[in-house]
Amino acid sequence: QQQVKQSPQSLIVQKGGISIINCAYENTAFDYFPWYQQFPGKGPALLIAIRPDVSEKKEGRFTISFNKSAKQFSLHIMDSQPGDSATYFCAASMRGGSNYKLTFGKGTLLTVNP
Amino acid sequence: GAGVSQSPRYKVAKRGQDVALRCDPISGHVSLFWYQQALGQGPEFLTYFQNEAQLDKSGLPSDRFFAERPEGSVSTLKIQRTQQEDSAVYLCASSARMNTEAFFGQGTRLTVV
Repeated sequence: QQQVKQSPQSLIVQKGGISIINCAYENTAFDYFPWYQQFPGKGPALLIAIRPDVSEKKEGRFTISFNKSAKQFSLHIMDSQPGDSATYFCAASMRGGSNYKLTFGKGTLLTVNP
Repeated sequence: GAGVSQSPRYKVAKRGQDVALRCDPISGHVSLFWYQQALGQGPEFLTYFQNEAQLDKSGLPSDRFFAERPEGSVSTLKIQRTQQEDSAVYLCASSARMNTEAFFGQGTRLTVV
């Protein structure tokens, strides 16, 4: 059972455009939703994260939108740059519990053309 | 060190061989995680340590997988009698304490031939 579903699998955007990646989750016990960026040959790096008590969080060009009732959240990258080309993973966890293990989506390969 | 360090970066093993993968977490980090990332997939949780205690090993796929962190710092993931389906990148992550940001290493790419 895939607990976090991510789409699209791949995305091509022109420089300056908006990149949008969507995720849906099933487990209502999840209470922490991070997005990770991974470059080839590197480990995932935390980009931005949100808790379900807010509907939106913005950090620079990156924004998370969160819809608790629909159990969906999305990453928006404004003014996309070629340096943003990477694989993006959404994830979810139950941080309030005694463990902190992330359940990842399958990833979105973003290509930003110059 | 500056970040989580994993070694070796690449490992080729013949089917049936035992392998050991090492993780050096960020100094002082209490929590340590192992994840398995198959090609084109997201990382999947394997196991979690708090100091030297292995608190969760629910993600280990079989009893051929074993992890330890005897002194609460360096951790080793051991895979016995490797199979082709074990081919993946094995990622280690550490965090300062429970429920704080986890920092990932670059991973060890294991190829079983």
